[in-house]
Amino acid sequence: TQLLEQSPQFLSIQEGENLTVYCNSSSVFSSLQWYRQEPGEGPVLLVTVVTGGEVKKLKRLTFQFGDARKDSSLHITAAQPGDTGLYLCAGPQGAQKLVFGQGTRLTINP
Amino acid sequence: DAGVIQSPRHEVTEMGQEVTLRCKPISGHNSLFWYRQTMMRGLELLIYFNNNVPIDDSGMPEDRFSAKMPNASFSTLKIQPSEPRDSAVYFCASTLGYQEFFGPGTRLTVL
Repeated sequence: TQLLEQSPQFLSIQEGENLTVYCNSSSVFSSLQWYRQEPGEGPVLLVTVVTGGEVKKLKRLTFQFGDARKDSSLHITAAQPGDTGLYLCAGPQGAQKLVFGQGTRLTINP
Repeated sequence: DAGVIQSPRHEVTEMGQEVTLRCKPISGHNSLFWYRQTMMRGLELLIYFNNNVPIDDSGMPEDRFSAKMPNASFSTLKIQPSEPRDSAVYFCASTLGYQEFFGPGTRLTVL
């Protein structure tokens, strides 16, 4: 079974600061996805990275897929309270299943 | 499109009672997944269906759990009898390719 480990598990920072969270595995993935989950809601897909070394930007969020396709990072610039949530990475396992990391619970304080 | 619909949103029951969770996937999506989320174990896949057929139920914790998908627009997850350790948020998701669209979840509390 392929596992995804996310770090840090919890992160609390002040509005305006920058941050990076990580998703690591010992296995190679054909792609990785990042989801954000807000309290009381289900996870929502933010981005899918598919090529080793790929960088994708979504406003203030920058996603990178490692060259070896075993890891990914999410960098947030000038964090805002609206960025608060649980960030999950996920990778395909088999034909249709996804395996999820445990998540990073991010809190942005005003 | 209303997205994935789950009911009830909250369920509080006593140990030993039967619990039925319901899900309506997004129209046109041919795969449906049931997940359980807890602080300790994160998001765990319980079972998934493809074209209404159960494909992989290896994540179902034990025989007390069962899931059905009688048609393309409806699925149920049943726990009988329920136990306090079943308390969690249960999500249903339907997929288009590898993109999963999650419902809002059912928060289950078993006393």
